[in-house]
Amino acid sequence: AQSVTQLGSHVSVSEGALVLLRCNYSSSVPPYLFWYVQYPNQGLQLLLKYTSAATLVKGINGFEAEFKKSETSFHLTKPSAHMSDAAEYFCAVTYRGGRRALTFGSGTRLQVQP
Amino acid sequence: GAGVSQTPSNKVTEKGKYVELRCDPISGHTALYWYRQSLGQGPEFLIYFQGTGAADDSGLPNDRFFAVRPEGSVSTLKIQRTERGDSAVYLCASSPDLRKSGELFFGEGSRLTVL
Repeated sequence: AQSVTQLGSHVSVSEGALVLLRCNYSSSVPPYLFWYVQYPNQGLQLLLKYTSAATLVKGINGFEAEFKKSETSFHLTKPSAHMSDAAEYFCAVTYRGGRRALTFGSGTRLQVQP
Repeated sequence: GAGVSQTPSNKVTEKGKYVELRCDPISGHTALYWYRQSLGQGPEFLIYFQGTGAADDSGLPNDRFFAVRPEGSVSTLKIQRTERGDSAVYLCASSPDLRKSGELFFGEGSRLTVL
């Protein structure tokens, strides 16, 4: 079975501050991990993905995430928050050879204060 | 280019009625997925198709839910005898290749409200 846990349903940061959104996964085989973003009234968009190549993955809009097997984590970071980053962020997991559908976490809503 | 298209964007129905939700995937994408997203939750997997066949329908909550993809392109999610608990946003996603690493392209969803 595969699952992800997102710690913190709401995160608030000031504009220009570091963004850190936490995701821990559970998988009995090597995972593929994803971060998706959902802006209000829009569909989910892929931010970045880890598929067993480089453990530090860079995505769109300045976001990046690091796969840490020892910590079973895939936290999302951005050095400097922008007002336009306010959205809901979802971590998701699947794995090669398994069920192809992604399993999503419950999401973290990011607020950016001016 | 065209993304995943879902219709209707909003559907309000009464308890006990039948509902159909349509998904038009990105052209050429062989895999198609249905998810359900309740308020404050992440997307919950329902069913996925590889071509015309349902490769995994283990997420369908009960036999009131059914989905088809007869020609390997457009898919319809069908809900019989709707209940208030079925109220959610139903998301469709498509993917170009089963062997790719799970990246999904989502539509904007169909919001279903059961009164």
